[in-house]
Amino acid sequence: AQSVTQLDSQVPVFEEAPVELRCNYSSSVSVYLFWYVQYPNQGLQLLLKYLSGSTLVKGINGFEAEFNKSQTSFHLRKPSVHISDTAEYFCAVIIAQGGSEKLVFGKGTKLTVNP
Amino acid sequence: EPEVTQTPSHQVTQMGQEVILRCVPISNHLYFYWYRQILGQKVEFLVSFYNNEISEKSEIFDDQFSVERPDGSNFTLKIRSTKLEDSAMYFCASSTGGVPYNEQFFGPGTRLTVL
Repeated sequence: AQSVTQLDSQVPVFEEAPVELRCNYSSSVSVYLFWYVQYPNQGLQLLLKYLSGSTLVKGINGFEAEFNKSQTSFHLRKPSVHISDTAEYFCAVIIAQGGSEKLVFGKGTKLTVNP
Repeated sequence: EPEVTQTPSHQVTQMGQEVILRCVPISNHLYFYWYRQILGQKVEFLVSFYNNEISEKSEIFDDQFSVERPDGSNFTLKIRSTKLEDSAMYFCASSTGGVPYNEQFFGPGTRLTVL
């Protein structure tokens, strides 16, 4: 079965520092991977997605992620974070069958950016 | 920018009572979803809905749960007799649908507390 594992439940960093949020997946079929962000009291917003093609994917707000098939990873990175990046980040994989799709999420990583 | 809306933002109910969670998907979307997140756990898929019928449902979505699109704009999740373990954040999502992947847009969620 397809699943994702987010290794860190909480990541504190200082403003302007780089950050990496880790995600590993397991899948025996073609993989479509996503990162969603949830700001306080808001819904889930798509940051970026990997469907095919270039393994380096750029998303909104300066985030990027690299699909690594050999390491079954899809880590999220930002070279310099802002206070406003404080949020919870979810890695997810899509499972598509019979015309229906569902997202399977990791447990989330709470990123806290401190001044 | 069009968005998915959900009401209420917070619902408190007594065990055994029926609750209806409401969602207004984006107007031109055809596929609708409910997910839930128990505090501290993963976001989990509950059900997908297309063309006025359920496309797929998870093991969580038992006979106590039902979904409906009563008119052209609302999409509801009903829990017939709530249990303590139904306490969670419930997210509605919608997409233009079909495979390959089409982005699912999420609402802000309804926090359900069962006492």
